[in-house]
Amino acid sequence: AQTIHQWPVAEIKAVGSPLSLGCTIKGKSSPNLYWYWQATGGTLQQLFYSITVGQVESVVQLNLSASRPKDDQFILSTEKLLLSHSGFYLCAWSRHLNQDTQYFGPGTRLLVL
Amino acid sequence: QQQVRQSPQSLTVWEGETAILNCSYENSAFDYFPWYQQFPGEGPALLIAIRSVSDKKEDGRFTIFFNKREKKLSLHITDSQPGDSATYFCAASSSNTNKVVFGTGTRLQVLP
Repeated sequence: AQTIHQWPVAEIKAVGSPLSLGCTIKGKSSPNLYWYWQATGGTLQQLFYSITVGQVESVVQLNLSASRPKDDQFILSTEKLLLSHSGFYLCAWSRHLNQDTQYFGPGTRLLVL
Repeated sequence: QQQVRQSPQSLTVWEGETAILNCSYENSAFDYFPWYQQFPGEGPALLIAIRSVSDKKEDGRFTIFFNKREKKLSLHITDSQPGDSATYFCAASSSNTNKVVFGTGTRLQVLP
């Protein structure tokens, strides 16, 4: 069975500080990977997707970057956090591209002060 | 620009009633519409999905009705249960893009 793990579970960070969020998928080779951001009580905004190692496509510009250093790992980062970065960050995977079930991780809650 | 809209924003029904959640979209290129269920503090989970070649998809108590001409779809939850209380998101994507657009969400509350 496939499992998806996100770390950390929650973070409280200062404005202007760096950030790194991680996501690991076990039990599935060559998954398609996605990062989403969700404001409290809001909808999900797709941020990035990746089809393979080393390849990441940006969907929306939010002063964030993503990398896929390994087949099963997806990293979301920024060098300088903004207040608007607060929210719930979700990693997801799918077997095929977007027209397929996306399986979401438990999420990381980020509060920027 | 919100390409996928949902209504109502919140909905309360009694246990056993049918809940109807609505979704509309603007981009005629969208041809895949999954519905996700999200409980507080958790990631969403796929509930049911439909492709634009179909006008109805049923899975147990959950049914999607799709009207391609009007660019509208609805999710019907029959015999609603308190455990169905969650936020439901309609999403849309097309075969010629790798992007998924989520709707604004409907918060459903089922009272016992």
